[in-house]
Amino acid sequence: AQSVAQPEDQVNVAEGNPLTVKCTYSVSGNPYLFWYVQYPNRGLQFLLKYITGDNLVKGSYGFEAEFNKSQTSFHLKKPSALVSDSALYFCAVRDGGRSNDYKLSFGAGTTVTVRA
Amino acid sequence: DSGVTQTPKHLITATGQRVTLRCSPRSGDLSVYWYQQSLDQGLQFLIQYYNGEERAKGNILERFSAQQFPDLHSELNLSSLELGDSALYFCASSVEWGPTDTQYFGPGTRLTVL
Repeated sequence: AQSVAQPEDQVNVAEGNPLTVKCTYSVSGNPYLFWYVQYPNRGLQFLLKYITGDNLVKGSYGFEAEFNKSQTSFHLKKPSALVSDSALYFCAVRDGGRSNDYKLSFGAGTTVTVRA
Repeated sequence: DSGVTQTPKHLITATGQRVTLRCSPRSGDLSVYWYQQSLDQGLQFLIQYYNGEERAKGNILERFSAQQFPDLHSELNLSSLELGDSALYFCASSVEWGPTDTQYFGPGTRLTVL
């Protein structure tokens, strides 16, 4: 079975400081990893994904994520956070080892608050 | 704006009733996915269709059903509604049906069962 854990319910940072949102995963085959962001009363917006290749993935709005196979992690990072980055962030995984089931499994979400 | 549209935005109904949620995927996308987001269960995958055919089922109740039509829009039917069905229902779409495809989400339909 595939699963994702986001160990922090909330992350609070000051504007201009680095932002990190943690994610660990469990799959039986190759992991395909995604980050989404949800603003209040909005749908999920795709930020970035890791499929293969370079472990550092760059995405939208200055976000990047680092894939670490040995630690089964895929942490989301932003070097300098903005107040507008305050939102709910979801990590998701898809198990590439399963041939017919390409559903996304989501973590519980991490609420990010960036204070001015 | 992801290009995925969902109607209605809000739905308020009573227990025991039946409702239909509608989703139009992004232009060119063949796969449609339905998810339920609730406070206690988080984001749960319900069902996936690819080019009109059901491809994968998740935690979908027997009271729920879905279909994808020839024009690729999809409908999620919820019947015999219970209070616990109150949630945000998302539709997502992707170009193909594969593990690396990015799913793009619609704005959701908020269902309130009274």
